[in-house]
Amino acid sequence: QKEVEQNSGPLSVPEGAIASLNCTYSDRGSQSFFWYRQYSGKSPELIMFIYSNGDKEDGRFTAQLNKASQYVSLLIRDSQPSDSATYLCAVTSGGSNYKLTFGKGTLLTVNP
Amino acid sequence: DTAVSQTPKYLVTQMGNDKSIKCEQNLGHDTMYWYKQDSKKFLKIMFSYNNKELIINETVPNRFSPKSPDKAHLNLHINSLELGDSAVYFCASSRQGEAQPQHFGDGTRLSIL
Repeated sequence: QKEVEQNSGPLSVPEGAIASLNCTYSDRGSQSFFWYRQYSGKSPELIMFIYSNGDKEDGRFTAQLNKASQYVSLLIRDSQPSDSATYLCAVTSGGSNYKLTFGKGTLLTVNP
Repeated sequence: DTAVSQTPKYLVTQMGNDKSIKCEQNLGHDTMYWYKQDSKKFLKIMFSYNNKELIINETVPNRFSPKSPDKAHLNLHINSLELGDSAVYFCASSRQGEAQPQHFGDGTRLSIL
């Protein structure tokens, strides 16, 4: 069973700090990696995706991928209370471009 | 101008009943998905269709049957509902190809009494 592991948290950071969310995956064949944000009672919302080793930045968000270590992370700079949500890591698996395996999510709380 | 829309939003029914959930996307995507998110918030793929062809069929009881009348619609029919079917069911869609992000609908919260 291909797995995606995340620290369930909660991860608590003060407003303005950097929040660091981590994810490891077991399928060496995984090609594409996604971070979704899910507010309580809402649907998952795409934050970023990455498929090459290294960093990818979009505004306050930076995704980092290290395929050799099977590790992907999301950094949120200048964290805001509105960033408080569950962050889901998802990776393509089983040799498919379409099959996403999700982690169980990390609950982030940003304290004003 | 909702991108991925599901109906109904809430579904409360009794054990043993049959129910359907509908999903439509207006993004012009070729691929659609059904996910189940259980009470522990774990999101798991159930089915996927690409251009009306079934491409992902996870280990799901055969009481669950997806149907895609066209590439903009993917419905989910559930027979003989059981207590363990209580969950939020999300529909999603994406373009076909590598590294295409999936866009989710608002979910259908199914509660079995």
